[in-house]
Amino acid sequence: EVKLVQSGAEVKKPGESLRISCKGSGYTFTSYWIGWVRQMPGKGLEWMGIIYPGDSNIRYSPSFQGQVAISADKSISTAYLQWSSLKASDTAMYYCARPRRGHDFDAFDIWGPGTMVTVSS
Amino acid sequence: DIQMTQSPSSLSASVGDRVTITCRASQGISNYLAWYQQKPGKVPKLLIYAASTLQSGVPSRFSGSGSGTDFNLTISSLQPEDVAGYYCQKYDRALTFGGGTKVEIK
Repeated sequence: EVKLVQSGAEVKKPGESLRISCKGSGYTFTSYWIGWVRQMPGKGLEWMGIIYPGDSNIRYSPSFQGQVAISADKSISTAYLQWSSLKASDTAMYYCARPRRGHDFDAFDIWGPGTMVTVSS
Repeated sequence: DIQMTQSPSSLSASVGDRVTITCRASQGISNYLAWYQQKPGKVPKLLIYAASTLQSGVPSRFSGSGSGTDFNLTISSLQPEDVAGYYCQKYDRALTFGGGTKVEIK
């Protein structure tokens, strides 16, 4: 079974750093892009960026460029989303998702369960 | 950057009604368009890809159409379990989502 398993909910203070993870299983991790999607409370879906673990090629949405860092460790089939200094406005659910086809951008047919990040003083 | 504009932002319809949601791209995107359903508190689910191809397991009352800049998602007969948020997404070079449409039962 193809699955994405995300790390658990986080509660952090403004200014703190954070890295959340997304572990893929049931498929060749290095052959599919992995994307990150933000959903702020009561709001819509926002594409943040995407990484190809096979060669660490990364594309960021202009809205998130410089605000977060995406990485992957193909040896453990895990992608990461990282903040160096959190803000209250980073409070959101974060999903990782995998496209239908390998190697290409495509619709996301596999989604992780989401990681809720709460930033509050 | 290509922007995706969905309309309406919300709608209320009766069970059995035909419902259409529109998504417009600011530039042509061929058929690189997907539709998702997100029920309250749940993970988004892929309904349609390539503008009109139904994802496996999705009920046939859902259909997609369009190409270039204008796309539609149609629910032929609205059911109570279709109450959800619906999002379009382009995936040609970037994977931008539309703003979403909240569907409720009247």
